[in-house]
Amino acid sequence: KQEVTQIPAALSVPEGENLVLNCSFTDSAIYNLQWFRQDPGKGLTSLLLIQSSQREQTSGRLNASLDKSSGRSTLYIAASQPGDSATYLCAVLEGGKLIFGQGTELSVKP
Amino acid sequence: ETGVTQSPTHLIKTRGQQVTLRCSSQSGHNTVSWYQQALGQGPQFIFQYYREEENGRGNFPPRFSGLQFPNYSSELNVNALELDDSALYLCASSREGRTNEKLFFGSGTQLSVL
Repeated sequence: KQEVTQIPAALSVPEGENLVLNCSFTDSAIYNLQWFRQDPGKGLTSLLLIQSSQREQTSGRLNASLDKSSGRSTLYIAASQPGDSATYLCAVLEGGKLIFGQGTELSVKP
Repeated sequence: ETGVTQSPTHLIKTRGQQVTLRCSSQSGHNTVSWYQQALGQGPQFIFQYYREEENGRGNFPPRFSGLQFPNYSSELNVNALELDDSALYLCASSREGRTNEKLFFGSGTQLSVL
């Protein structure tokens, strides 16, 4: 059974700092891995999607990597801003459904 | 804006009642998936609809049921509501088989069961 884990559960950093969020999964038989952003009480916004055959994807200040062999992904956020404060969720696509981690709640202090 | 719309945005029900949640998918998307997100948790897959039929189901009891209509919009019905059904319900639309494409989520329906 696929399990997705995110560490840390919460993170507080000063504005301008570079940071890394971690995601691990137990079964490497995935189609893709996605990173989402969720603001309180809101839906999910897809940030990056990495196909199972890819190693990384970049969008602006965000870079996500995927290592299927070790069952790990990281989301790197450069030069963090207060507007980046949100919960970040990773999810793997397996058998047509997304399996999510519990998320990392990020707070960027001005 | 993802183009996926959900209604209502908030709902309060009492235990034992029934509820219907609605979702309109993004233009060009033929598959709708429903997820339940309890407070502080990641979303959990409920089921998926494609061509008006259930196309995969998570670990949810039969009192969770759904429909998909010819225009690809969808409903989630929950009977005999329990307190633990209180959660944010999210729908996502996609194109069947397109594993290289992002899923687009609606803003969710916040259900409170008292």
